[in-house]
Amino acid sequence: SQQGEEDPQALSIQEGENATMNCSYKTSINNLQWYRQNSGRGLVHLILIRSNEREKHSGRLRVTLDTSKKSSSLLITASRAADTASYFCATPLGGATNKLIFGTGTLLAVQP
Amino acid sequence: GAGVSQSPSNKVTEKGKDVELRCDPISGHTALYWYRQSLGQGLEFLIYFQGNSAPDKSGLPSDRFSAERTGGSVSTLTIQRTQQEDSAVYLCASSLACFIGQGCDQPQHFGDGTRLSIL
Repeated sequence: SQQGEEDPQALSIQEGENATMNCSYKTSINNLQWYRQNSGRGLVHLILIRSNEREKHSGRLRVTLDTSKKSSSLLITASRAADTASYFCATPLGGATNKLIFGTGTLLAVQP
Repeated sequence: GAGVSQSPSNKVTEKGKDVELRCDPISGHTALYWYRQSLGQGLEFLIYFQGNSAPDKSGLPSDRFSAERTGGSVSTLTIQRTQQEDSAVYLCASSLACFIGQGCDQPQHFGDGTRLSIL
């Protein structure tokens, strides 16, 4: 399977704490993307990091990329109850297709 | 502006019936994708459109599945002779065009999906 792996599968934290999710992928990439999915909704794009970048920030989000280990991490700082969602990493497959290969996802629960 | 719109939001049908799912992408987005999300399978790619053509339909599970896109806009995914294993959430996404041969750097914008239940 081309699907990436994410860990942990589930994470429960208290409001105000930081949450870290990890993603591993299998092929060489041009970029890696993180998406959020609230229950019953579609996915929302959060952040994209290119293969020549090591770290990127967007508000309370910090993403790192280690292409030598084929891994990425997403850090959410000062979490809020509204951050409760599933988080997916995704890598685009090149060639004749632009499809995304998604990881298995991390279910984050932020307790108020 | 309007996001990606999918209809119906829910569909319950009997095994053996045909179903048609609709996707209205964001205006100006030439790329359109269909994915399927089911428990235990994660998010699976089905088909990718660039304009009205489908350069990659490798994810369609069987010949019961087909999709078309007309006018470079609306797309329909049709499942014929539905089976219980077709039960899933079908997600549509659109994006601006990407360069062929490179990993696409355009974010995909998703609709809320159609939840399909086959009885």
